[in-house]
Amino acid sequence: QSVLTQPPSVSGAPGQRVTISCTGSSSNIGAGYDVHWYQQLPGTAPKLLIYGNSNRPSGVPDRFSGSKSGTSASLAITGLQAEDEADYYCQSYDSSLSGSGVVFGGGTKLTVL
Amino acid sequence: QVQLQESGPGLVKPSQTLSLTCTVSGGSISSGSYYWSWIRQPAGKGLEWIGRIYTSGSTNYNPSLKSRVTISVDTSKNQFSLKLSSVTAADTAVYYCAGEQQLVDYWGQGTLVTVSS
Repeated sequence: QSVLTQPPSVSGAPGQRVTISCTGSSSNIGAGYDVHWYQQLPGTAPKLLIYGNSNRPSGVPDRFSGSKSGTSASLAITGLQAEDEADYYCQSYDSSLSGSGVVFGGGTKLTVL
Repeated sequence: QVQLQESGPGLVKPSQTLSLTCTVSGGSISSGSYYWSWIRQPAGKGLEWIGRIYTSGSTNYNPSLKSRVTISVDTSKNQFSLKLSSVTAADTAVYYCAGEQQLVDYWGQGTLVTVSS
């Protein structure tokens, strides 16, 4: 059971827009910690997609965007392409009485129909 | 560009201790303000942060694994290591080493560790 909650799967047709939500709590996203998003293709390490809630590393298409509000964040992908089919993970930081550290969402599998 | 490479046995027997080492190249493990972390991913499942170490030796562990995990650093070799004790089949996963400042900037390629007799 992951600290951050994501939908297990989303799907969309080529050209469409999809969003992936990431819900946390007052000890992580709600505490002001940034949310980051990673894309993982089969058999590879995750690749940074969005950092600091809404920033794209160089080389990431502007079809990908991120936002954060309260205890949640979301990743939006517009103009869906077949190559976007992958697993997506949100990540933040958590600080509570039981300790501090990196936390991930359970991951969302994006299917391009 | 900093690169990370995991090494260690790919097969561990149940109840034994899993040991992995991560070698950092392209930069000093002591420079900057990075934490050096271990993250794992069972087949078909999500990412789980195991813990991290700063070059001062300060550590943070995932509360769910804390009783079985030890992470250490050897700055002279530019390496950090993971030990996970009393392993079971549930510990079978791809293990990644990583460099992070809350954001995971650097990832190793990952190494599969199977727990089986």
